[in-house]
Amino acid sequence: EIVLTQSPATLYVSPGESATLSCRASESIAINLAWYQQTPGQAPRLLIYGASTRATGIPARFSGSGSGRDFTLTITSLQSADFAVYYCHQYYAWPPEDTFGQGTKLEMK
Amino acid sequence: QLQLEESGPGLVTSSETLSLTCRVFGGSISAISSYWGWVRQPPGGGLEWIGTIYFRGTSYYKESLKSRLTLSVDTSKNQFSLRLTSLTAADTALYFCARQAYKSESSAYVPDVWGRGTLVTVSS
Repeated sequence: EIVLTQSPATLYVSPGESATLSCRASESIAINLAWYQQTPGQAPRLLIYGASTRATGIPARFSGSGSGRDFTLTITSLQSADFAVYYCHQYYAWPPEDTFGQGTKLEMK
Repeated sequence: QLQLEESGPGLVTSSETLSLTCRVFGGSISAISSYWGWVRQPPGGGLEWIGTIYFRGTSYYKESLKSRLTLSVDTSKNQFSLRLTSLTAADTALYFCARQAYKSESSAYVPDVWGRGTLVTVSS
C-alpha cells in the first residue's frame, strides 16, 4: 500500500498570508495525486488533481505542484473559508488501491 | 448538476451486516467515463477508500476488506450499494459515496463529486 505522509499536521497562518502544505508518497506516483478540502460536517471538496490541475470552480489562489514522491499545495491570500483540513490522495494504481494522507489542519493564527 | 445521496440504517449491531445505498441525481450512473466509489471516515479520523464499481458491475475492493465487502449497482434505479458483513466497532464511520470521473490530465479516475455522507455506528 502506498503511504502518503502530510506535513505539518497543523499549520497556523494569518488571513491574507500564504500557506504551503506538503505530501510525500512512500513510492513514486507520477502525477496521480489530488488535494481535497474538508470543513466540519461537510464532504471533501476536490481542489486539485493530476498534481497541478485545478478542479472546476476552484480559484487560482489554490495551486498544486510536484511529481514522483513529493507534492505541495499552496494557498495564497488566505480567506476565512480556507481554514479547514486538507487531504492529499493518490490514485496511481489500476486496479485501484487508493490511499489518503492523514490530513493537515489549517488553523487561523 | 450531479448530486449523490447516501442512505442507510445509522445504527447497526456488532457482527451484523451493513447495507448502504447511494442514489445518483442529475446524471446517469451508466456514464461511460465514470466509476462510483465509497470512502469512509471514522470519527475524528482521516479518509479511507474502501471500494469502487463500474455500472457494468466490475468492482474493486480495498484488500483488507475484500472478504467482507460487496458492491453492487442498479442502473434501473440509478444507484449503487455497499454491503459490509461481520461488523465491528472499527467499522464505525461516516460513509461517503463519490463519483470517480475520468480526468484526461491524469489518465485516471478521480473522486470529484461526493455525497454528504451517512454516519454508521456499530454498537455491541
